[in-house]
Amino acid sequence: DGGITQSPKYLFRKEGQNVTLSCEQNLNHDAMYWYRQDPGQGLRLIYYSQIVNDFQKGDIAEGYSVSREKKESFPLTVTSAQKNPTAFYLCATREGGYNEQFFGPGTRLTVL
Amino acid sequence: SQQGEEDPQALSIQEGENATMNCSYKTSINNLQWYRQNSGRGLVHLILIRSNEREKHSGRLRVTLDTSKKSSSLLITASRAADTASYFCATGGTQGAQKLVFGQGTRLTINP
Repeated sequence: DGGITQSPKYLFRKEGQNVTLSCEQNLNHDAMYWYRQDPGQGLRLIYYSQIVNDFQKGDIAEGYSVSREKKESFPLTVTSAQKNPTAFYLCATREGGYNEQFFGPGTRLTVL
Repeated sequence: SQQGEEDPQALSIQEGENATMNCSYKTSINNLQWYRQNSGRGLVHLILIRSNEREKHSGRLRVTLDTSKKSSSLLITASRAADTASYFCATGGTQGAQKLVFGQGTRLTINP
């Protein structure tokens, strides 16, 4: 997991509530990513950011929002518009170039 | 969208045996990466192979890439109980954002 922290580890939300997942890195990496993983499935890209104050939608951005005000931080908000938010959420970073990504430990979100 | 398809979806072998997992993809790539995920944890990068490479080794891992067939394989030799995990291939595109597209993974179980 290296220098990437995600909090909280577990999060419970009532239907209709917005929640924000934290992702912080001290690797000084420019690019950051948010993925969603459903049971027994691979990862799907929600949003990504290549530099501060800039981000782009991934494959499944509907119902989610992000911000990138600092290089170290890339929080993800799961809004009430997300119909099925229960999942495992993973944050990742990449230093630059065509290289590997580094992953945080993940946040498991459950909607009650 | 998930570009990669992995085969088999699940694999169970005895400790000491070799494990082979395969990955197929659909579009042009810059690189292909393999990741490991222990249950409920983040992903750990194992190895990256670029589109102009055919084979790469790292310890007990051997990865091959056949761009003409759009396929890759991961071989783990002399398996250990600690190798029990899910293994994912991910393809890196040719655009600068380096969005990774993940397969659904192979669940590997090493029996003692």
